[in-house]
Amino acid sequence: EIVLTQSPATLSLSPGERGTLSCRASQSVSSYLAWYQQKPGQAPRLLIYDASNRATGIPARFSGSGSGTDFTLTISSLEPEDFAVYYCQQRINWPLTFGGGTKVEIK
Amino acid sequence: QVQLVESGGGVVQPGRSLRLSCAASGFTFSNYALHWVRQAPGKGLEWVTIISYDGSYKYYSDSVKGRFTISRDDSKNTLYLQMNSLRAEDTAVYYCARDRPTKTAVSGYLDYWGQGTLVTVSS
Repeated sequence: EIVLTQSPATLSLSPGERGTLSCRASQSVSSYLAWYQQKPGQAPRLLIYDASNRATGIPARFSGSGSGTDFTLTISSLEPEDFAVYYCQQRINWPLTFGGGTKVEIK
Repeated sequence: QVQLVESGGGVVQPGRSLRLSCAASGFTFSNYALHWVRQAPGKGLEWVTIISYDGSYKYYSDSVKGRFTISRDDSKNTLYLQMNSLRAEDTAVYYCARDRPTKTAVSGYLDYWGQGTLVTVSS
């Protein structure tokens, strides 16, 4: 199965700062990668699919990039509601797999 | 609006069975593939299984293959997960999720999620 490694495990930032999250795949997933946001006690929310397409209703401050094995989720200017855990997920092969997550916390 | 509501979780002894349900509303249920994803306490997300829109194919993670069965009843707009031979490592919140619509049969992206139901396997 494809292993997704996210870094860093924790990102400490202040509101208004730029956040850059990384996801690396153990083999190429082409552009078949998604990003999800999860807040405590809530279900995950789809943010980005196919590496760079924002899902319905997702603010423009969220952007995704990358292809092959290296991907990035960028939050251009962190809002208070953006502090959460973020997961990447690949869909090129079964089983679908998720990364271990990056927690974005308030500095 | 799209809603997915899981039920059926609880505390169960190792080796026993449990059936989860996921009631859907706000979309044409029979047109969508559906997934189960789980999350152990304090851990990350683990994909469990998918069923196609017409039930003709199903995939399972290796960790549940042969023990769990996914099914759907389009007349009731309900997704199920039959879990047999439960183990302590199956303890998790179980989410049902809708497969994001696409021109192909399955996108593999999960665009709507329920709030989850907790399954605890313990003696």
